[in-house]
Amino acid sequence: AQTIHQWPVAEIKAVGSPLSLGCTIKGKSSPNLYWYWQATGGTLQQLFYSITVGQVESVVQLNLSASRPKDDQFILSTEKLLLSHSGFYLCAWSLTGGFERLFFGHGTKLSVL
Amino acid sequence: GDQVEQSPSALSLHEGTGSALRCNFTTTMRAVQWFQQNSRGSLINLFYLASGTKENGRLKSTFNSKESYSTLHIRDAQLEDSGTYFCAAYYNVGDNSKLIWGLGTSLVVNP
Repeated sequence: AQTIHQWPVAEIKAVGSPLSLGCTIKGKSSPNLYWYWQATGGTLQQLFYSITVGQVESVVQLNLSASRPKDDQFILSTEKLLLSHSGFYLCAWSLTGGFERLFFGHGTKLSVL
Repeated sequence: GDQVEQSPSALSLHEGTGSALRCNFTTTMRAVQWFQQNSRGSLINLFYLASGTKENGRLKSTFNSKESYSTLHIRDAQLEDSGTYFCAAYYNVGDNSKLIWGLGTSLVVNP
């Protein structure tokens, strides 16, 4: 069975500090991987997706970057956090293809103060 | 413009009752997913439909691509059904597909 693990569960960070969020998928080879962001009370907004190791496509520019250093790992980071980065970050995976089902991790709650 | 209109935005039910959530689409969608977001923020997969109707326990979902809508029916609501429900639908953009999300329905089930 596939499992998706996100870390950390929650972070409280200062404006201007760096950030790194991680996501690992086990039990599925070469999945498509996604980062989503959700403002409090809002809907989900896709930030990045990756179809293979080393390749990441940006969907929305929010002064964040993403990398896929291994087949099963997806990292979201920034060198300087903004207040607007606060929210809930969700990692997801799907099989390759056009209209595949999405499966989400449990998310990371980020508070930027 | 908006391609997914989800309604209602908020819903309050008493335990044991039921209701329907709906997503209307302004473009042809190829598939739809329904999720429940619980109080911890986790997104739980409820249904994935390319067409037709699926049922799982007290939940039933229909996707009609031709008439551009999808529904999620909840019957015999329980307290643990509380949360925010999202529909997300796939549509074609050239050779690629895109996923677009509804704004969610906030459901509160009261004793």
